[in-house]
Amino acid sequence: QVQLVESGGGLVKPGGSLRLSCAVSGFSISDYRMSWIRQAPGKGLEWLSDIRIPDTYTNYADSVKGRFTISRDNAKNLLYLQMDSLRAEDTAVYYCARDRQNFGDYEYWGQGTLVTVSS
Amino acid sequence: DIQMTQFPVSLSASVGARVTITCRASRDVRNSLAWYQQTPGKAPKLLLFATSTLGSGVPSRFSGSGSGTDYSLTVSSLQPEDSATYYCQQYYITPYTFGQGTKLEIK
Repeated sequence: QVQLVESGGGLVKPGGSLRLSCAVSGFSISDYRMSWIRQAPGKGLEWLSDIRIPDTYTNYADSVKGRFTISRDNAKNLLYLQMDSLRAEDTAVYYCARDRQNFGDYEYWGQGTLVTVSS
Repeated sequence: DIQMTQFPVSLSASVGARVTITCRASRDVRNSLAWYQQTPGKAPKLLLFATSTLGSGVPSRFSGSGSGTDYSLTVSSLQPEDSATYYCQQYYITPYTFGQGTKLEIK
């Protein structure tokens, strides 16, 4: 059974850092493109980043480029999002998601973890 | 970036009704178009991909169509459990982008 479980969210001050994790079971993350997508309170979905196979090539949205870093640990089946220089507008629920067949649509999602950036 | 515009922003319809939600892309997305359903407090669920292919376990009352820049999601006979927000997403080119969502209320 496929399961994605995010962790690491919480309250952080502007300018601070946070690292989100996504623990995966039911498949190997080395076999699929993985992504982070967020949703600000009461707002729509925003794609942030993906990490591809087999070369770990990464893509980022302009809103997070240079501040966020996606990575994965194949041995531990973990996906990460390192978030630096956080801003109030980064406040959102952050989802990790698995690509359906490496095309860019998302078949499996985690339950999300809330990140609040506030002083 | 490709902009995705959904309409209507919200709609209300009765059980058994047929409803259609439209999504317009700012450029051709070559049928790389998915639809998601999201209920409050939950993660999105993939309904359709590649414009018209049903996701796993999705009821056949959901259907999709379109090409080029214009796409639509139709629910042929609304059920109470279809009350949700629906999002389109283009995955033709990164950054992948979502529509702003359509909130569907069941009367």
